[in-house]
Amino acid sequence: EVQLLESGGGLVQPGGSLRLSCAASGFTFTTYAMSWVRQAPGKGLEWVSTISQDGATPYYADSVKGRFTISRDNSKNTLWLQMNSLRAEDTAVYYCAKLVTPSTSRWFDPWGQGTLVTVSS
Amino acid sequence: EIVLTQSPATLSLSPGERVTLSCRASQSVSSYLAWYQQKPGQPPRLLIYDASNRATGIPARFSGSGSGTDFTLTISSLEAEDFAVYYCQHRSNWWTFGQGTKVEIK
Repeated sequence: EVQLLESGGGLVQPGGSLRLSCAASGFTFTTYAMSWVRQAPGKGLEWVSTISQDGATPYYADSVKGRFTISRDNSKNTLWLQMNSLRAEDTAVYYCAKLVTPSTSRWFDPWGQGTLVTVSS
Repeated sequence: EIVLTQSPATLSLSPGERVTLSCRASQSVSSYLAWYQQKPGQPPRLLIYDASNRATGIPARFSGSGSGTDFTLTISSLEAEDFAVYYCQHRSNWWTFGQGTKVEIK
């Protein structure tokens, strides 16, 4: 069974930093690109970042470019999101998701349970 | 960048009714569109990909159709567990979601 388990969320002050982790199991991690998608309280889904299978190519939404860094360690089946210069509008549940299919990376399946990041003073 | 517009924002329906949700793209996306279901407190779940293909384990009452700019998600007969928010999604240069349609109990 594919499992994605996020951790690292919490309360942080504006301007602060946080590092999210996603531990993956139940599939060949190196075969799939991976993503972070967030959802602000009571709002819709917003794609944040994606990283290629080999970790060489990251993609970022304009809203986080220059502040967030996505990375992965294929030997540890782990995905990370380093979040710096956090703002109130970054408050959201952050989901880790696997992208399918390996050749197209179009669709998110499955998703982790999410970790809540709250940016507030 | 492609914008996905879902309508309506909210649907109030009764169990057993047929549901039709709409997703319109600002330019053609061919058949490269997915639908997700999200229940309160849960992550989204992939329902439909490539406009009309059901994901693994998705009941046959869910179907998707459309191509180009206009897409539809149909639930043939609403069951209690189908009351949720539904999102469409496309990948072009980036990954984009519609704003969602909430299907609520009437």
